[in-house]
Amino acid sequence: EVQVVESGGGLVQPGGSLRLSCAASDFTLETYWMAWVRQAPGKGLERVANINQGGSEKSYVDSVQGRFSISRDNAQNSLFLQMNSLRVEDTAIYYCARERGRYFGMDVWGQGTTVTVSS
Amino acid sequence: QSGLTQPPSVSGTPGQRVTISCSGSNSNIGSNVVNWYQHLPGAAPRLLIYNGSQRPSGVPDRFSASKSGTSASLTIRGLQFEDEADYYCAPWDNILNGPVFGGGTKLTVL
Repeated sequence: EVQVVESGGGLVQPGGSLRLSCAASDFTLETYWMAWVRQAPGKGLERVANINQGGSEKSYVDSVQGRFSISRDNAQNSLFLQMNSLRVEDTAIYYCARERGRYFGMDVWGQGTTVTVSS
Repeated sequence: QSGLTQPPSVSGTPGQRVTISCSGSNSNIGSNVVNWYQHLPGAAPRLLIYNGSQRPSGVPDRFSASKSGTSASLTIRGLQFEDEADYYCAPWDNILNGPVFGGGTKLTVL
C-alpha cells in the first residue's frame, strides 16, 4: 500500500529543536516533490515547506523561514523536517504529503505527528 | 490568513445535497484549478477532488466540484453519515507559488 508514516513529534520547550521524519512505502520517493503540512489547534491546514525530487529546490512559509529546514534521503526513502528555535505557535499536527503540483494536489498523506511547544 | 473564505460550518440530513463554497482572488481561484480535501478528525487528510473536478480512485461520484470566477464550490449529493468531516479548498496561488488552503468547513450530518 502506498503510504507515508511520520515520526519524531513530542513536547519541547520554546527555543528548542525537533527533527521530524517521514518514511515512504510502496513508492519511490525520489520521483516526487514532498511537503510538510501542519494543522494548529482549532486552525486549518498550512503548507510549511516543500522540496523537489533531488533536494535542490526548497520553499518555506514565511513564519518558519530561517528556523525550519526540509531535507530528504532518497536512498532511505525518507523525508525530514528539522525544526529549530521552536515557538508556542508552532504547536500543531505535522503531516507529510506527496505533492503532485498545481493540478494534481497532494495525493498521499500520513496520519501526522504531534508537536507541542510549551514551557 | 490564507485569503480564501469558506463557511465555518454547514449541515444536512442523510440523503440531502449540500454545497460548500470557497471564495478567493484572481491570484488563486481566478487563475488556477481548485483541489479539495476531506479531513476526518484523527485521520490523514484525503485528496477528494483534483484538477478542479476529477475524483481520485475510490472517491464516490456523489462528490463534485465547480468554479466560477474567483469562487469555487464542492457539492455532496446523497449525504451520508460517513461524510461528516472538515473540507478544505486548495487552489494554487500565483503570488505564493504554491497551494493555499481555505480555512476549512466542518460538515455535520444530522
